[in-house]
Amino acid sequence: SYDLTQPPSVSVSPGQTASITCSGDKLGDKFTCWYQQKPGQSPVLVIYQDSNRPSGIPERFSGSNSGNTATLTISGTQAMDEADYYCQAWDSSTYVVFGGGTKLTVL
Amino acid sequence: QVQLQESGPGLVKPSQTLSLTCTVSGGSVSSGSYYWSWIRQPAGKGPEWIGRIYTSGSTNYNPSLKSRVTISVDTSKNQFSLKLSSVTAADTAVYFCARALSGIYHDYWGQGILVTVSS
Repeated sequence: SYDLTQPPSVSVSPGQTASITCSGDKLGDKFTCWYQQKPGQSPVLVIYQDSNRPSGIPERFSGSNSGNTATLTISGTQAMDEADYYCQAWDSSTYVVFGGGTKLTVL
Repeated sequence: QVQLQESGPGLVKPSQTLSLTCTVSGGSVSSGSYYWSWIRQPAGKGPEWIGRIYTSGSTNYNPSLKSRVTISVDTSKNQFSLKLSSVTAADTAVYFCARALSGIYHDYWGQGILVTVSS
């Protein structure tokens, strides 16, 4: 099986930059994306294909993926960004795998 | 705007088969650009991918669930379905259906349905 590791929690002050990491063996060779999930809601795709933003997602969300680590960066973090964030990877043998999630707190 | 809606029993007895249907509106399961996935999420935990289906009927399943899972598509009803056999309490979760862009990125999700396995 293939495992993705995320920090359980990240804290950030309003207006600052939040970085959430996702680690996995040779993750940079795989297709990755990120989801935001608020309590009681379905996940929302915020980054796909490592660094692309779907329509309607604010420009403050960005992503990168290299080596063994993918990173979701939120610039100018707002209170509304407080949520759980999940990374997801795909390859031809394991198909879709999710990370354990990171709770982002905006203090 | 694509919408997905899960339906099915919210309570299933242990050892029985869980059956859910996802109805798609505002889009077509026959579209060649997408796969259609089932994903579940136990309370307080991260999502777990169950499997996906293409309009042709081609499927891929999570290796850990493969022996118990069947996903099918009904293009005439614009629906796809999930069957999970021999369920236990560990299968209790919110079950989501979702559209998978390029078969990988889940860009539209249903609201989810809580399925509890209990006698």
